[in-house]
Amino acid sequence: DIQMTQSPSSLSASIGDRVTLTCQASRDITTYLNWYQHKPGKAPKLLIYDASNLEIGVPSRFSGSGSGTDFTFTITSLQPEDIATYFCQQYEILPYTFGQGTKLEIK
Amino acid sequence: QVTLRESGPALVKPTQTLTLTCTLSGFSLTTDGMSVNWIRQPPGKALEWLAGIEWDDTKHYSMSLKTRLTISRDTSKNRVDLIMTNMDPVDTATYFCTREHRDNGWSKLDYWGQGILVTVSS
Repeated sequence: DIQMTQSPSSLSASIGDRVTLTCQASRDITTYLNWYQHKPGKAPKLLIYDASNLEIGVPSRFSGSGSGTDFTFTITSLQPEDIATYFCQQYEILPYTFGQGTKLEIK
Repeated sequence: QVTLRESGPALVKPTQTLTLTCTLSGFSLTTDGMSVNWIRQPPGKALEWLAGIEWDDTKHYSMSLKTRLTISRDTSKNRVDLIMTNMDPVDTATYFCTREHRDNGWSKLDYWGQGILVTVSS
């Protein structure tokens, strides 16, 4: 199975900050990577697909980049509603695997 | 509007069989490129993909759980079921069903249910 390693596991930031998360795959997955936002008790929400494509309806402050094994997810200006856990997912091959998540909190 | 909703028991006993249902609306599982997947998240742990069923009824399973899982669909009722046998306390988790949409080389888990917490305990 492809292992997905996210960092950091938690992050405290201020409103308006630029926030960057990373996800590393254990082998080359080209751009077959998605990013999701998950708030407690809610359905996870797709934000970025194919490493860098913004899902329809998702604010432009969210972005993704990377290819191969190293990927980055950025929020350019953190908003209060962005408090959530973010996780990456590879779909290069089954079984789909996920990072362990980054819990984002307000400082 | 696309929605998915999980249903099933909140509590099962060890060795029992778990049956979960995902009720779909707003799309057809027989549309080319559509799949439904089951994914779970044990408390404090990462998400784990379990099984998927494609638009043409092709099924995929986690190799580590393959002997315990059965995924099936009833297109007339817009539902996808997951059966997991021989439940154990380590199977305690929130179980999600998700829609997968594939096109132009990409794949998205673009709609998720809210999840159902299943506790395995005697």
